[in-house]
Amino acid sequence: AQSVTQPDIHITVSEGASLELRCNYSYGATPYLFWYVQSPGQGLQLLLKYFSGDTLVQGIKGFEAEFKRSQSSFNLRKPSVHWSDAAEYFCAAHNNAGNMLTFGGGTRLMVKP
Amino acid sequence: DAGITQSPRHKVTETGTPVTLRCHQTENHRYMYWYRQDPGHGLRLIHYSYGVKDTDKGEVSDGYSVSRSKTEDFLLTLESATSSQTSVYFCAIRAGLEGITEAFFGQGTRLTVV
Repeated sequence: AQSVTQPDIHITVSEGASLELRCNYSYGATPYLFWYVQSPGQGLQLLLKYFSGDTLVQGIKGFEAEFKRSQSSFNLRKPSVHWSDAAEYFCAAHNNAGNMLTFGGGTRLMVKP
Repeated sequence: DAGITQSPRHKVTETGTPVTLRCHQTENHRYMYWYRQDPGHGLRLIHYSYGVKDTDKGEVSDGYSVSRSKTEDFLLTLESATSSQTSVYFCAIRAGLEGITEAFFGQGTRLTVV
């Protein structure tokens, strides 16, 4: 079955430190991949997406993600975290037919001053 | 921001009563989705629509039905609400143009079944 896994439920980092959030997928072929962010009480906002081409994609708010086919991963990174980055982050993927968008369980990021 | 409106934003209902949530879009997008969000489960797809009167089940469709009689509206109905359906419900839309495009989300509806 097609699935998206985010192994880390909670992550705490210090402000200014680097960040990496993990995402693994299980699909028959390379899916289309997305990262979304959700602030408390809000809907989801798209950070970045990967369809094809360059495996390192840049997004909004200084985030980037790298697609690694050999590891079935699409990890989200940021070189220096700001307190305003505290939120929940979701990795998602489209199935091959493009109809269904499947989400991972989410990673809640806390930022220490 | 994508033009998506969910109504109501908050609702408390009693077990066994029917409940309908509405998602309205002004983008004329082809695809519309209903998700529920629960702690530890991320967002799980309930039903989706790929056109007027065209709908299909997601991974957690039991106890839910949907209807899409016009492009802009996608209704989610809980025929007989249960406490396990207490959740936050999100509607999403996607253009479905050439290639794969991203989904845009509404602000959510918090439903409590008592």
